[in-house]
Amino acid sequence: AQSVSQHNHHVILSEAASLELGCNYSYGGTVNLFWYVQYPGQHLQLLLKYFSGDPLVKGIKGFEAEFIKSKFSFNLRKPSVQWSDTAEYFCALLFGGYQKVTFGTGTKLQVIP
Amino acid sequence: GAVVSQHPSRVICKSGTSVKIECRSLDFQATTMFWYRQFPKQSLMLMATSNEGSKATYEQGVEKDKFLINHASLTLSTLTVTSAHPEDSSFYICSARDPGTEETQYFGPGTRLLVL
Repeated sequence: AQSVSQHNHHVILSEAASLELGCNYSYGGTVNLFWYVQYPGQHLQLLLKYFSGDPLVKGIKGFEAEFIKSKFSFNLRKPSVQWSDTAEYFCALLFGGYQKVTFGTGTKLQVIP
Repeated sequence: GAVVSQHPSRVICKSGTSVKIECRSLDFQATTMFWYRQFPKQSLMLMATSNEGSKATYEQGVEKDKFLINHASLTLSTLTVTSAHPEDSSFYICSARDPGTEETQYFGPGTRLLVL
């Protein structure tokens, strides 16, 4: 069955440090991939998405993610994090012809000023 | 981006009562809406897929008689937790699929349910 794995459960970084959050999925067919962010006390917001085309996807707030099909990965990156990036980040997979989205377990990012 | 609202944002009820949660897509028509449950320190668990004008599709292990879903219009889906018990206390989140933006789902702010 399809699944999404986020191996980093809790990441602590200092401001200006670079960020990379891992996301791996298991599904052999066509996939659509998303990263969502949930700021403290707020609802889930879409950061970026990959459907087709350029595997390097740029999202809001300086985030980007790279789809590497051979590695079944869709890692999220940001060259320089800010305190305001403190949030929980979820990787999600929309697969095949299904409407359903499968979420990873989330990664809590804490940025220290 | 598209906006999805939920009402109420927080509800406290007594055990045995029923609670209705509304999910609305404010600026687009959503033929499909989804209901999730988020447990503390865990990811979102899909409960059911709600299609306008038809019966909802429930995920394995979710009691359809316990969690009644009605998607009567293209902008409104409701989740009713019937005869709520303390173990139903959770954070319930809906999302709506905007067919105009490549199958992207937009999420509501969630409803915190506490059953005493």
